[in-house]
Amino acid sequence: DQQVKQNSPSLSVQEGRISILNCDYTNSMFDYFLWYKKYPAEGPTFLISISSIKDKNEDGRFTVFLNKSAKHLSLHIVPSQPGDSAVYFCAALHSGTYKYIFGTGTRLKVLA
Amino acid sequence: ETGVTQSPTHLIKTRGQQVTLRCSSQSGHNTVSWYQQALGQGPQFIFQYYREEENGRGNFPPRFSGLQFPNYSSELNVNALELDDSALYLCAGGTGGNEQFFGPGTRLTVL
Repeated sequence: DQQVKQNSPSLSVQEGRISILNCDYTNSMFDYFLWYKKYPAEGPTFLISISSIKDKNEDGRFTVFLNKSAKHLSLHIVPSQPGDSAVYFCAALHSGTYKYIFGTGTRLKVLA
Repeated sequence: ETGVTQSPTHLIKTRGQQVTLRCSSQSGHNTVSWYQQALGQGPQFIFQYYREEENGRGNFPPRFSGLQFPNYSSELNVNALELDDSALYLCAGGTGGNEQFFGPGTRLTVL
């Protein structure tokens, strides 16, 4: 039962262009969402998060959008840089449970 | 730098053996969570500890157990290892908020 889905296993984008990574969820109890970036041989690194009371959160080049009615969130990276090449995981949380539910990840490759 | 370290980096065991994985978190991380990440999958929640007591558990059998110590370190113990236990095991420290900070993981191979 995959409660959090990232349907694109991989994505290639030219340097300087926008990268859009998508994530869908099924459990309406989730009220907090996070994006993590993972390089090989390292643990996931927290990138950006959003509470369900918001529909957008921005931090520098990274913006997360939340569409609660569609149970969909997306991460926008503008402009994309070669150092952004990594696996990106979205995670959902029902606050108070501390149990992250992760998607399967999207491998982003930014081409120089 | 997340302030979370794990040891060992890699480990090879045989089926039926027992293994202990270790995690060291930084001051202020009063929760520790453990995740299993199989190849090509996202991390799966095993359990969380808060103030040295189990605070929540995922769909893992009782042969997965843990300990949290007052010095911000913790252990994950797995008994009667099975081939499917081969995975990357991640530990994450938290301050009680929603963000968690992951260590680099221990790669366990069960032969």
